[in-house]
Formats: sequence, C-alpha cells, structure tokens
Amino acid sequence: RKEVEQDPGPFNVPEGATVAFNCTYSNSASQSFFWYRQDCRKEPKLLMSVYSSGNEDGRFTAQLNRASQYISLLIRDSKLSDSATYLCVVNEGTGRRALTFGSGTRLQVQP
Amino acid sequence: DAGVIQSPRHEVTEMGQEVTLRCKPISGHDYLFWYRQTMMRGLELLIYFNNNVPIDDSGMPEDRFSAKMPNASFSTLKIQPSEPRDSAVYFCASRQQDGTANYGYTFGSGTRLTVV
Repeated sequence: RKEVEQDPGPFNVPEGATVAFNCTYSNSASQSFFWYRQDCRKEPKLLMSVYSSGNEDGRFTAQLNRASQYISLLIRDSKLSDSATYLCVVNEGTGRRALTFGSGTRLQVQP
Repeated sequence: DAGVIQSPRHEVTEMGQEVTLRCKPISGHDYLFWYRQTMMRGLELLIYFNNNVPIDDSGMPEDRFSAKMPNASFSTLKIQPSEPRDSAVYFCASRQQDGTANYGYTFGSGTRLTVV
C-alpha cells in the first residue's frame, strides 16, 4: 500500500467550476501536511500547508481529517492557470524530516 | 535569493558511464534532499542531509548511487555505472531547520537524465 494515495485524474473542468481533490495517508503518526503544485516539466512548488482546523488561501481551501487520515483541497472559481498536477504531501513523524509525496492529481481547466 | 540551483539541466549519457548531478541549496538552509521523479513511481526520496551529514539514505536504489555534501553550499549525486532505468528527473530541495517539520521545501529546477 502506498503511503500517500491520490486519484491520478485527470480532472477536466470548465473555467469557473469548483473542484475537489482528496488524498489518504497510511501513517497515523504523520505530523505535517501540504499541497504542492507541479506544472508540466517544472519543479514542485509549495501551494499551501494544511492545518488541523482547515485553512484557506484565496480560492484554495485545505482540510485535514486526522481520524480518517484524509486530506482535501478545494479550488473555487477555477482559472485556466490552475491547470497543473497537485501533489498531496505528508511528513511522517518525529525524527524524520523528509516529506513523502503522493503521485499527484492532474487538473485541466478548460475554456 | 537565487533559489536552489541544480546542474546540469539536461544530461544524456550512454549506459555504463558515470553521471554526476550537482546542487547548491539556498543559503542558510540546513536540510538538503535528493528526489527522483518518474512517471511510474512519482517522486521518491533518495537521501537527505542535515548540516551536511547524511541522515537517511534508505531510498538510494543500489550501490551504484552515492551522494555527498562536502559543505553547506554544495551537494552531488553520482551514478556509476549508469543504466537506462536510471532515466528520470532528479530534484534537489532544501529547507531551513526549525523545531518542527512544518516548513515546505524549495525545489531546484531538476536535472533530466536520459541514459541510452
């Protein structure tokens, strides 16, 4: 079983749509959670951290459910520029400072 | 700040040759990570360093891979001998140290390696 699992997509949505991505992680001791964005043939870039109480950054909302070991990302009012792969990322616990990346969910926003 | 700098951007080499990838982390960052990305396996951690000391190399695929960090501003990942299955994008990333792991990484632009 993969440590971080995501639906690979692709999600094809029209501009202005709301889209949600989900992710599950296997290690209940995981401490830190992030969403990264990766454009085609580019490096991953930090989109946002995910906090237990949920957090919002403009059109982006991230939620964490520790009991279900589940993370989500909601994008409202999708833009063409949101087209990318979204990587769910987890830090697995004390003593280990390395992040574990999901395989990513591809989003294509269409005009 | 120039960010994390990797070189070369692209490398094409013949099977059996030695390949050396280079990384300069962001100044002041205490952690450096090497990842490999393929379509099949996604992003996989190879090794990471803290204050130039290798902490976890359990992701290094086999003895053909080695990594060094001789000082705080430079790291290398070497593959000797290279094989076609090593073809991937190799990313270096760095982050600053703090009491938690709540900071994300900054990635370099990656080295696209093709072994023919």
